[in-house]
Amino acid sequence: DQQVKQNSPSLSVQEGRISILNCDYTNSMFDYFLWYKKYPAEGPTFLISISSIKDKNEDGRFTVFLNKSAKHLSLHIVPSQPGDSAVYFCAASPMNRDDKIIFGKGTRLHILP
Amino acid sequence: GAGVSQSPSNKVTEKGKDVELRCDPISGHTALYWYRQSLGQGLEFLIYFQGNSAPDKSGLPSDRFSAERTGGSVSTLTIQRTQQEDSAVYLCASSLGLAGELFFGEGSRLTVL
Repeated sequence: DQQVKQNSPSLSVQEGRISILNCDYTNSMFDYFLWYKKYPAEGPTFLISISSIKDKNEDGRFTVFLNKSAKHLSLHIVPSQPGDSAVYFCAASPMNRDDKIIFGKGTRLHILP
Repeated sequence: GAGVSQSPSNKVTEKGKDVELRCDPISGHTALYWYRQSLGQGLEFLIYFQGNSAPDKSGLPSDRFSAERTGGSVSTLTIQRTQQEDSAVYLCASSLGLAGELFFGEGSRLTVL
């Protein structure tokens, strides 16, 4: 049973435009959400997070939106740059419990010149 | 170094042999995770250590897989009687716990011939 779902395996976006990566979750106990970025042959690196008390968190070109009622979050990258081409993983965990972080299958983002 | 260190970076083995993969987490991090990423797949949770608590082994795919964490620091993932389907990149991550940000190593790529 996949608790964190990224339904788009890949996404292509023109350089300079907005990239929107989506993620859905099923476990209502999740209240802390993270996005990770992974380049080939490297480990994933943390990008941005959001707790359930917020519906938006922004860091430079990256913004994460959380819709708790829909159990949906999205990562917006604007403007998209060539270096943003990578695999993006959505992850979720209960915030206040010693419990594991669960990852989605990832979305491969291609930024087109 | 200051990051999560994994060894070996690459391991090629014959079917039926045992392998050990090592992870040196960031000093002071109480939580340690093992994930694996098979070709074209997402991050599959394997096992989670948090402080002195019993590890969460719910992601181990079979009893051929085991992991230890000695002294709350270094962890070893052991795969006995390896099979071709065990071929994957095995990623270790550590964090300060309580759903904190994960810091990943670069992974150990296992190829079972």
